[in-house]
Amino acid sequence: NAGVTQTPKFQVLKTGQSMTLQCAQDMNHEYMSWYRQDPGMGLRLIHYSVGAGITDQGEVPNGYNVSRSTTEDFPLRLLSAAPSQTSVYFCASSLTPRTDLSVYTFGSGTRLTVV
Amino acid sequence: DQQVKQNSPSLSVQEGRISILNCDYTNSMFDYFLWYKKYPAEGPTFLISISSIKDKNEDGRFTVFLNKSAKHLSLHIVPSQPGDSAVYFCAASKGNTPLVFGKGTRLSVIA
Repeated sequence: NAGVTQTPKFQVLKTGQSMTLQCAQDMNHEYMSWYRQDPGMGLRLIHYSVGAGITDQGEVPNGYNVSRSTTEDFPLRLLSAAPSQTSVYFCASSLTPRTDLSVYTFGSGTRLTVV
Repeated sequence: DQQVKQNSPSLSVQEGRISILNCDYTNSMFDYFLWYKKYPAEGPTFLISISSIKDKNEDGRFTVFLNKSAKHLSLHIVPSQPGDSAVYFCAASKGNTPLVFGKGTRLSVIA
């Protein structure tokens, strides 16, 4: 089925460990982004990409790295996990960055716990 | 500074009645507004949107109203159904800038 696939669905990390959250879309979408959802905080933008080879920071980029080597994939790397990064992470994609021309399609999320 | 505000964390409505979810924004440059709906353990899904050149957009049971002078928009659901119980996020953007989301409002529709 076409859509946005996030793996893993759940992950527990120890403080200081690193890991990569995977996001893949098969809709040939140009735009991809990562949000985190925390209780009482809504969805906050971490990083986004308007095309392969192009990435930019969002509202809360510290502690995270991204790259966009292909149109399909947009992995999010946690360099040294901290308890403050405990959250639910959502990847979203859209055909273009223009929000009036195409809607975001979200993945089902990765629930990350850092202990 | 929060640019998109949803000041009601939760709302409870009887089945068949109207649900009204509110959203305020501070950035006058925003020109496109959207509502997303989220069920537990799923990603948000697009519900309805409105351009700043309009003041109303309707799609079945869902209507979004925009008051630009007050920097306020609202989502009306009529009639409300138990399946509408979810978290609703208001979002806004300008041009090709990323969506900015509010904190969400949890709607409970009671049968």
